[in-house]
Amino acid sequence: GIQVEQSPPDLILQEGANSTLRCNFSDSVNNLQWFHQNPWGQLINLFYIPSGTKQNGRLSATTVATERYSLLYISSSQTTDSGVYFCAVSGAGSYQLTFGKGTKLSVIP
Amino acid sequence: NAGVMQNPRHLVRRRGQEARLRCSPMKGHSHVYWYRQLPEEGLKFMVYLQKENIIDESGMPKERFSAEFPKEGPSILRIQQVVRGDSAAYFCASSPGTPRSQETQYFGPGTRLLVL
Repeated sequence: GIQVEQSPPDLILQEGANSTLRCNFSDSVNNLQWFHQNPWGQLINLFYIPSGTKQNGRLSATTVATERYSLLYISSSQTTDSGVYFCAVSGAGSYQLTFGKGTKLSVIP
Repeated sequence: NAGVMQNPRHLVRRRGQEARLRCSPMKGHSHVYWYRQLPEEGLKFMVYLQKENIIDESGMPKERFSAEFPKEGPSILRIQQVVRGDSAAYFCASSPGTPRSQETQYFGPGTRLLVL
């Protein structure tokens, strides 16, 4: 099946700093989503982005499908950004999302 | 527009009991997916259902687990004779079910199952 690798596994930031999270995948995809799992365990949809670039406030994401990677940018980080960020993909002909292991982000004041 | 609803949010069971987890998809969504997040592991797909049909159950354990999405009412994930290894967070997601193959899956808040 499709493989998903996220980096870095852990990231500690000072409040106000910017960061880039990466997601590599092993095959062509028809769905790519970024999620934020907050400290209470809820999974929040951030982006549906199988290709192209999207922005939502301080967050933006870019997927280069031909090179099989996606990037999530967080600017001016806040303590509420802390949690685990997951990338999930599904391949052609499949509906099941395969999740990466996540990047654990800690934003300190 | 309410999101995906799951209940209960927390469930405690003793070994050997049954656990029933419910999921109401977003309004207008006809596709439901169940995922499991075991401690120290990532989220893993379990089953994909449309109304009255199981489309893909390749991620579901062969024994003790079953899922349904009846014509009326929520989707149910049922775990019989629970064991400690079933302790996990169970997430439900839904999507509209349009003819396009690419669809955003919207996740519920999860049910945290603890087996004593």
